[in-house]
Amino acid sequence: DAGVIQSPRHEVTEMGQEVTLRCKPISGHDYLFWYRQTMMRGLELLIYFNNNVPIDDSGMPEDRFSAKMPNASFSTLKIQPSEPRDSAVYFCASSFGGRVDEQFFGPGTRLTVL
Amino acid sequence: EDKVVQSPLSLVVHEGDTVTLNCSYEVTNFRSLLWYKQEKKAPTFLFMLTSSGIEKKSGRLSSILDKKELFSILNITATQTGDSAVYLCAVADAGNMLTFGGGTRLMVKP
Repeated sequence: DAGVIQSPRHEVTEMGQEVTLRCKPISGHDYLFWYRQTMMRGLELLIYFNNNVPIDDSGMPEDRFSAKMPNASFSTLKIQPSEPRDSAVYFCASSFGGRVDEQFFGPGTRLTVL
Repeated sequence: EDKVVQSPLSLVVHEGDTVTLNCSYEVTNFRSLLWYKQEKKAPTFLFMLTSSGIEKKSGRLSSILDKKELFSILNITATQTGDSAVYLCAVADAGNMLTFGGGTRLMVKP
């Protein structure tokens, strides 16, 4: 079975540009989580969805960040406009409602904003 | 605010050694504690602990939770170079939120 799929794997952009990160969760999983990992702050939860509905976005740093989940097999995290301090690895993870806490992580997108 | 603290920050051992990694936490509405291993890419799930005093074991790795003292340990016996990684501890609350610790970086030398 395919695991969580993320694209792109690497993204280099210039400050002010829009960035869209994509995620396909594991089939059958009804929870989807977006995380950001940096050296300074470690792994932080940004937002999570249950059955395609955003449940908690308290970790989203500011209005420049937005996330959507139009269907059970696709989610996006958008940053507009991007800033150098957004440079990080962004992970998507999914889990099944019966064991919500056991999350399976995608390979991550390494974002560099110049 | 939920908080997870891991120690030591880093550790260097030789193959065959036994290591103990520590995780202490403060969380409102605790539900579970999880251990993940992160090599160069994504964290991979190791254990989920919900009850005090019950050891979870997988090969050379084992973990136990103490809900009274609010900590967990991860033991690795007979370490191998393939165990080199960052080990992350996380706690889950009743709201499905995971809070991660800063990790312990383990290096196993041949």
